[in-house]
Amino acid sequence: KAGVTQTPRYLIKTRGQQVTLSCSPISGHRSVSWYQQTPGQGLQFLFEYFSETQRNKGNFPGRFSGRQFSNSRSEMNVSTLELGDSALYLCASSTETGGGNTIYFGEGSWLTVV
Amino acid sequence: AQSVTQPDIHITVSEGASLELRCNYSYGATPYLFWYVQSPGQGLQLLLKYFSGDTLVQGIKGFEAEFKRSQSSFNLRKPSVHWSDAAEYFCAVGGVLTGGGNKLTFGTGTQLKVEL
Repeated sequence: KAGVTQTPRYLIKTRGQQVTLSCSPISGHRSVSWYQQTPGQGLQFLFEYFSETQRNKGNFPGRFSGRQFSNSRSEMNVSTLELGDSALYLCASSTETGGGNTIYFGEGSWLTVV
Repeated sequence: AQSVTQPDIHITVSEGASLELRCNYSYGATPYLFWYVQSPGQGLQLLLKYFSGDTLVQGIKGFEAEFKRSQSSFNLRKPSVHWSDAAEYFCAVGGVLTGGGNKLTFGTGTQLKVEL
């Protein structure tokens, strides 16, 4: 069974541009969450989607957005990139939402903003 | 304030020695508890989790963790460390107490170095 797949793995963007990251969850998983990992702030929750609906949102500006498709695949978008958005973005999936579920992570997308 | 704390930023152990990584949480009740490991340049791999029941939890790769309600702790242990265990370890909490859904709140991580 394939794991959580994230694309692209590495990308470099210029300040002010926008970026879209993609996540394919494990087959049968309907919950997809996104996290940002930086050396200074650590691992921070961005948002969770379940059955195409945003269930939960972290404390990030509106430049960070996401969506989920009917096949559970998810994308996150960051507009007007800032240097501080350079990070590892991790996607995680689970069968259900509501807590108490095993959550599986992908290998992440490394974003560098120059 | 509600939080999860990993007091040790770096730990160095010799190969074959025992290991204990500390994790404390500060919530009104017991959240769901997790330990994840991250190798350089990789994503997070779940080692083990605690939701309820037996307070000693067995995980993958020979790891175990003990939940102690009185100390609000969930420490990770391994009897004999292998060089391949060198990585960063994250304690995480989840459930209604931390925001609901599948949201996880992570500690700051402990970087484990293994000396040969």
